[in-house]
Amino acid sequence: AQTVTQSQPEMSVQEAETVTLSCTYDTSESDYYLFWYKQPPSRQMILVIRQEAYKQQNATENRFSVNFQKAAKSFSLKISDSQLGDAAMYFCAYRSAGSGYALNFGKGTSLLVTP
Amino acid sequence: DTEVTQTPKHLVMGMTNKKSLKCEQHMGHRAMYWYKQKAKKPPELMFVYSYEKLSINESVPSRFSPECPNSSLLNLHLHALQPEDSALYLCASSQEVTSTRNEQFFGPGTRLTVL
Repeated sequence: AQTVTQSQPEMSVQEAETVTLSCTYDTSESDYYLFWYKQPPSRQMILVIRQEAYKQQNATENRFSVNFQKAAKSFSLKISDSQLGDAAMYFCAYRSAGSGYALNFGKGTSLLVTP
Repeated sequence: DTEVTQTPKHLVMGMTNKKSLKCEQHMGHRAMYWYKQKAKKPPELMFVYSYEKLSINESVPSRFSPECPNSSLLNLHLHALQPEDSALYLCASSQEVTSTRNEQFFGPGTRLTVL
């Protein structure tokens, strides 16, 4: 089974600064998808960004971007110009392109944003 | 409508009670999921429905009984639960289980407390 590792249980960033959350994964597959989900306290889990493994270009969504290093099996999330509303638990997730259904989540990184 | 709704938001039940959780989506998605999430942990997959048929049961105890009455609705029937079943129960949906665009959209969850 694929494993997803988020080595930073907690991170802190000042408003307007940039922070990078790390994620590594272990797989023998060549085709798969990677996701970052955000779960604010007592609020809904939402998809932040996704990356297809076959695409070399890193995905970007407004202030959120990823650094996808396929050979290193690394998928970090960069949040630029951090805002108070970015405070949340961030989960990295892996999904095989073949079997399809399962999202393998990392343990999460709790991001604190300070004024 | 890009929303997954869940009712109730909170539920407190005794170990002998029978209750049901409800999930609804109107995005035309054909795959629906139940997850269990403990505090500060990632979601754990419980069940997957694809085209209204149960396709995955992740060895969940029989005191949890899923039901998919139609393509928009997903229920989780609860009976004789244990205190350790207290958790946030998340519903999610996606276009199809094996689609390349398989982003899962999550509902806000039902916070269940078993006394």
